[in-house]
Amino acid sequence: AQKVTQAQTEISVVEKEDVTLDCVYETRDTTYYLFWYKQPPSGELVFLIRRNSFDEQNEISGRYSWNFQKSTSSFNFTITASQVVDSAVYFCALSEGMDSSYKLIFGSGTRLLVRP
Amino acid sequence: DTEVTQTPKHLVMGMTNKKSLKCEQHMGHRAMYWYKQKAKKPPELMFVYSYEKLSINESVPSRFSPECPNSSLLNLHLHALQPEDSALYLCASSQERVRPNGYTFGSGTRLTVV
Repeated sequence: AQKVTQAQTEISVVEKEDVTLDCVYETRDTTYYLFWYKQPPSGELVFLIRRNSFDEQNEISGRYSWNFQKSTSSFNFTITASQVVDSAVYFCALSEGMDSSYKLIFGSGTRLLVRP
Repeated sequence: DTEVTQTPKHLVMGMTNKKSLKCEQHMGHRAMYWYKQKAKKPPELMFVYSYEKLSINESVPSRFSPECPNSSLLNLHLHALQPEDSALYLCASSQERVRPNGYTFGSGTRLTVV
């Protein structure tokens, strides 16, 4: 069965610290996609990144970077020099298959608090 | 237009009321979704519409009734809800087959059942 585990329930850091959010997934499919979403207090889920199962290249976008390792079924997310505006709940998610519609399986989320 | 718009943003309803949540997108996406999110929990899928046809119903109670009048609109009709149905209801849409950006989510409707 598909499953996404975010073992860190809450993380608290001081502004400018680096922080890594962990994500471990389980799937039997060879074709799948992994996502990270940010949910600020306003409630909207904001897309951050997509990675497909055939692309293990790590990615950097400004202060954000992602480390995808198929060997350990992990897709970790690092924020460098964190800012107060990064405070939010972050969800890792998995989707499988290539249907015209698809189901996202979310991890339980990690609440990040960045203190000034 | 790259948004999913949900109305209303907040809704308080009694257990005997009938109300509807509305979702609209104009990105040409052919798949639309309803998710339910309880406090401090991840979103849980309720329904999926693909090309205006219901393709997935995650065993949702019949007091929730989805409707997709056209490719841009998705409604969720609510009737005889229970207090435990209080949650954030998120609508999303996605492109068919190709998923460059995953879903696009709306900002949700915060529903309180009293």
